[in-house]
This record gives sequence, structure tokens and C-alpha cells, in this order.
Amino acid sequence: SQTIHQWPATLVQPVGSPLSLECTVEGTSNPNLYWYRQAAGRGLQLLFYSVGIGQISSEVPQNLSASRPQDRQFILSSKKLLLSDSGFYLCARGQGTNEQYFGPGTRLTVT
Amino acid sequence: QQQVKQSPQSLIVQKGGISIINCAYENTAFDYFPWYQQFPGKGPALLIAIRPDVSEKKEGRFTISFNKSAKQFSLHIMDSQPGDSATYFCAASNEGSNYKLTFGKGTLLTVNP
Repeated sequence: SQTIHQWPATLVQPVGSPLSLECTVEGTSNPNLYWYRQAAGRGLQLLFYSVGIGQISSEVPQNLSASRPQDRQFILSSKKLLLSDSGFYLCARGQGTNEQYFGPGTRLTVT
Repeated sequence: QQQVKQSPQSLIVQKGGISIINCAYENTAFDYFPWYQQFPGKGPALLIAIRPDVSEKKEGRFTISFNKSAKQFSLHIMDSQPGDSATYFCAASNEGSNYKLTFGKGTLLTVNP
């Protein structure tokens, strides 16, 4: 089966601190990978997507960056967190088709 | 900006009733329209999806109705159950944009017992 892992599940970080969220995918090769953010009580906003190793497309100018060092690993980072970075971060995978499947998410609270 | 507009924002239905959630889109290039179900603290789960070559798709108690000319699609939940209480998101995508999903803002469904 194809599984998405996200780590950590929850995170509380002070303003100005760095961030690293990890997404790993099992059971598939060369997936499309996506990072979404969901603000409290709101919809999902696409942040980054990747169609292959080292290939990152940014959707929204922001304080975050993404990297894909391995085929099944997608990392979301920030050098200095802002209060507005708080939210529920979701990694999703696709396989060259429209279907996307989401991971369990990481709840980030910036204090 | 590509948009998908979803309504209502919240919906309360009695057990056994029909829940109906509507979405409208603007970009005629969209060719895939999924619905996701999300429980609190969990990632969204793909529920059912439709392509514009059909007007309706049914899976169990869940049905998508699609109106290409009106650029609208809707989710119908028949015989709604308390376990269906969740937030539902419609979305749209197309191959030309690397299958990026554009989401509606969600509908919080509450099914009362």
C-alpha cells in the first residue's frame, strides 16, 4: 500500500525560530508531491509542489521553502517563523494522475 | 486566480436526511472534480470524484452531480448518519497544471441523531 508519513505530528515553536517538517512516501516511485497549509477553519492552500528530485515549484510568495532531496522525501522549511505561519500543514502525493492522497498532517503553532 | 466557490459554509441535517453541498468553478480547463472528507485533526480523505464526461457518479450513499454548462457540481449524501459529520471540501484540477488542486473553502456538516 502507498502510505504518507508526516513528522512531527504537532509542533510549538517561538517566533523567529527555524522550521523543518518532513514528509515521506512509501510504496511508490517518482510521485508528485505537494505541501498544503490549512488555516484554522479554512480551506487548503497549495504552497509547493514537486514533480521530481530537486524540482520545486512555489505557488505563494512566503516565508517558507521546500526541498526534495530524495524521490520519496519532501521537506518544508523556514529560517525564521512568523505568527502567520501557524496552521495545519498537509503533504499530499499524486502519481501523474489527478488523484491526490493526503498525509496525517502536522499541527504547527507559532507563539 | 482560479477559484472554486463552495456553499453552504455549514449545514445541519437530521439523521436519515439528505445532505447537499454545492460548488461552482470558473476555469473551463478543469477536468477532474474530487470531494474530500476531513475529520478534526486528520488529513482530508478522498471521498469520490468525477470527470466532466459524465453527469453523475454514485458510490454507496455518496453521489456527485455535475453540470458542465453551468460549471457547477454538487455532493449528495443520502441517508445521512452522525458518522458523516465532518468538513467536506470540493476541489478541481487539470493535467495542464500538474494536477494541482484548487479547493473550495469547505462545508462543516453536522448530522444530528
